[in-house]
Amino acid sequence: GAVVSQHPSWVICKSGTSVKIECRSLDFQATTMFWYRQFPKQSLMLMATSNEGSKATYEQGVEKDKFLINHASLTLSTLTVTSAHPEDSSFYICSASTIEGRQETQYFGPGTRLLVL
Amino acid sequence: KQEVTQIPAALSVPEGENLVLNCSFTDSAIYNLQWFRQDPGKGLTSLLLIQSSQREQTSGRLNASLDKSSGRSTLYIAASQPGDSATYLCAADTDKLIFGTGTRLQVFP
Repeated sequence: GAVVSQHPSWVICKSGTSVKIECRSLDFQATTMFWYRQFPKQSLMLMATSNEGSKATYEQGVEKDKFLINHASLTLSTLTVTSAHPEDSSFYICSASTIEGRQETQYFGPGTRLLVL
Repeated sequence: KQEVTQIPAALSVPEGENLVLNCSFTDSAIYNLQWFRQDPGKGLTSLLLIQSSQREQTSGRLNASLDKSSGRSTLYIAASQPGDSATYLCAADTDKLIFGTGTRLQVFP
């Protein structure tokens, strides 16, 4: 089955530092990758959609200069939280999509928990 | 703007009970409706996907139905087990996945 990994699984950092999260599709090439954020006891909120080699499309209210997305290859996307602040503490989940038959299917990573002190 | 709502927000039941989780969405122009399971601090596991042209999908003890015209989907869990304890999320696919807030299920022995 299609597997998506994320690294690191959790990270603690000081306020003002930048944190990079990697999302990899391990056994398939992803047409598109998505980044979601989930606050405690809340649902997943889409932050941005990225395609390999092109600029990410950010959802309304998501600062593109704060959440830098690089989609360098068909199997790797990175999310960098720049100058992180405590309010950026959250659970970040990526997903990677591929076309199976005529259906686009998203496979989700295990998530990265970020705590900014 | 698509909005997805799930009720109840939380549910605690003894094992063996049959359960119904509800999901409603405001815009019926969806490609499909998906149900996911999320264990605490973990990512999502896809359970069932119902295409917009379908009425229901079944997998083991799980059955999901879709009524697009009324903007509703239900997830039926038969003979619940403690291992079913998790948060269940539904998501409406309208070019992007819009998630509900989830139902936290606890099944106790």
